[in-house]
Amino acid sequence: RKEVEQDPGPFNVPEGATVAFNCTYSNSASQSFFWYRQDCRKEPKLLMSVYSSGNEDGRFTAQLNRASQYISLLIRDSKLSDSATYLCVVNNNQGGKLIFGQGTELSVKP
Amino acid sequence: DGGITQSPKYLFRKEGQNVTLSCEQNLNHDAMYWYRQDPGQGLRLIYYSQIVNDFQKGDIAEGYSVSREKKESFPLTVTSAQKNPTAFYLCASSTVREWGEVYTFGSGTRLTVV
Repeated sequence: RKEVEQDPGPFNVPEGATVAFNCTYSNSASQSFFWYRQDCRKEPKLLMSVYSSGNEDGRFTAQLNRASQYISLLIRDSKLSDSATYLCVVNNNQGGKLIFGQGTELSVKP
Repeated sequence: DGGITQSPKYLFRKEGQNVTLSCEQNLNHDAMYWYRQDPGQGLRLIYYSQIVNDFQKGDIAEGYSVSREKKESFPLTVTSAQKNPTAFYLCASSTVREWGEVYTFGSGTRLTVV
């Protein structure tokens, strides 16, 4: 079983749609959780950290359920510029290593 | 501005050759990492270093080697023993802040075996 697993993509949605990405992690001792965004042929960039209480940044909402070892990302009112691959990332605090999911590709169409 | 510089951006290697990918940071970060990304996949950890003159193997270290002689530099050598080296290589560094650990990625090196 992979340490971090994400919904297989791609997700193709129209502009203005709401889209949700799901992610599960296997190590119950994991401490920190993140969503990264990666544009084609570029490096990943931090979208947001994920906290147990849930957190929101504009159109983006992240949720963490430690009991179910589940992380989600909700994007409301999708824009064309949201098209990218979204990576679920976990830090097990073992030497500071980040563990990446395989990514979920999002394509927002006009 | 501080950041991580990876070079070259594109690299072509003949089979059987060793190549070295450069990674330099001026962020004063203690920890540095090398990841490999294949098409449609997430990043996999090759090697990491938490302090100068020390480094550990990641999940896919076979066929790779690193050194950490200076805090700013963490070069990765892809040896001829790496059977499938064509991939996108990303270097990262991190430091601990009050709010948690902060990671910075370089812009990557795309290696192709010809």
